[in-house]
Amino acid sequence: DTGVSQDPRHKITKRGQNVTFRCDPISEHNRLYWYRQTLGQGPEFLTYFQNEAQLEKSRLLSDRFSAERPKGSFSTLEIQRTEQGDSAMYLCAGEGESGYTFGSGTRLTVV
Amino acid sequence: GENVEQHPSTLSVQEGDSAVIKCTYSDSASNYFPWYKQELGKRPQLIIDIRSNVGEKKDQRIAVTLNKTAKHFSLHITETQPEDSAVYFCAASWSGGYNKLIFGAGTRLAVHP
Repeated sequence: DTGVSQDPRHKITKRGQNVTFRCDPISEHNRLYWYRQTLGQGPEFLTYFQNEAQLEKSRLLSDRFSAERPKGSFSTLEIQRTEQGDSAMYLCAGEGESGYTFGSGTRLTVV
Repeated sequence: GENVEQHPSTLSVQEGDSAVIKCTYSDSASNYFPWYKQELGKRPQLIIDIRSNVGEKKDQRIAVTLNKTAKHFSLHITETQPEDSAVYFCAASWSGGYNKLIFGAGTRLAVHP
């Protein structure tokens, strides 16, 4: 257990549905990142939070994607009107004094 | 824009041999270079990292070298074991207050007994 938990581990959804993922870092992680990883590729940066402030968003994050970290602790990533191209592993990472730690990810399959 | 290229995409070695994976980066402001190991269905795990003020770092059978002039860095695994089989990712970041990691595409390493 790395201390960064993600829920759910797997999500299968029909195209057009909305989905929401949750990431719970440990308390020392004042920085939180979301990445997306497709099969056979490295993780791609999506967005970054410093405490509750979202300070950078990738161009990969279309207007169907929204992320929040309301109290500077857990974070959610919502995808509206899912498309088959959204199928991927969504990884959350927390960063604090002890370094950078990835969660186990949420694997999304859009059918 | 920021880019990290990684080679080779696949690498097959015999147990006990050495394995070398190479990466190049485009942003000369990058100053942090971690390497991650990812087993099938699992999270990326940091195995070693290096900062730009150091040219080489070693941890048991794993070493990383950095050439800032040429903008490339390499992972060296000696005395490979079957449990080293996994996908390895290099990454680079410019720590302008935070670490947005730009990853390479990965190298699938297979160590044959």
